[in-house]
Amino acid sequence: DAKTTQPPSMDCAEGRAANLPCNHSTISGNEYVYWYRQIHSQGPQYIIHGLKNNETNEMASLIITEDRKSSTLILPHATLRDTAVYYCIVRVGSSNTGKLIFGQGTTLQVKP
Amino acid sequence: GAVVSQHPSWVICKSGTSVKIECRSLDFQATTMFWYRQFPKQSLMLMATSNEGSKATYEQGVEKDKFLINHASLTLSTLTVTSAHPEDSSFYICSAVGQANSPLHFGNGTRLTVT
Repeated sequence: DAKTTQPPSMDCAEGRAANLPCNHSTISGNEYVYWYRQIHSQGPQYIIHGLKNNETNEMASLIITEDRKSSTLILPHATLRDTAVYYCIVRVGSSNTGKLIFGQGTTLQVKP
Repeated sequence: GAVVSQHPSWVICKSGTSVKIECRSLDFQATTMFWYRQFPKQSLMLMATSNEGSKATYEQGVEKDKFLINHASLTLSTLTVTSAHPEDSSFYICSAVGQANSPLHFGNGTRLTVT
């Protein structure tokens, strides 16, 4: 079973920041938090991942709480093309054999 | 960035036939690849973990004789759906990972329709 819980859906106005929350209260010390998104009928796209420090890349920022029990993905300026299902995943295992178990994700609808 | 290519992107076959799906890592070597299945309006479900040069590890409830996985090289894994039936119709997606703790990268999926 997935180790994360996310709200099933969220709306965001185009141009505004989208903040997607995720709870992972049973995360272990060496498990990373990964974020992916899936646009209809495509494979999931990697967004960002982190262990305990906040991370930022060209797509998004990841804020992880100090106790690591929750995190927030931030899309700073959402566009219509950001409409997708966003998955927060705790990767099982710390080596390159660690698998991703997907939960139900959050459907983000960016509106004009 | 890392690219994973999946072929074919869609396939229609008759009940009872077998279908092979290929997954290739184009610009990195993948010692481990994963196969997922996704039904409409559902999330991705992990089917098996494929390791180069060894037998695949299947998730509980996935029939290994039904879904044959071969990972013969560091850039290619194949999934063969044997004796396909209409209930096997689904979206099959592979992913590959190179170095430890690097992200998994996904192919664009194969939509299988069994008539």
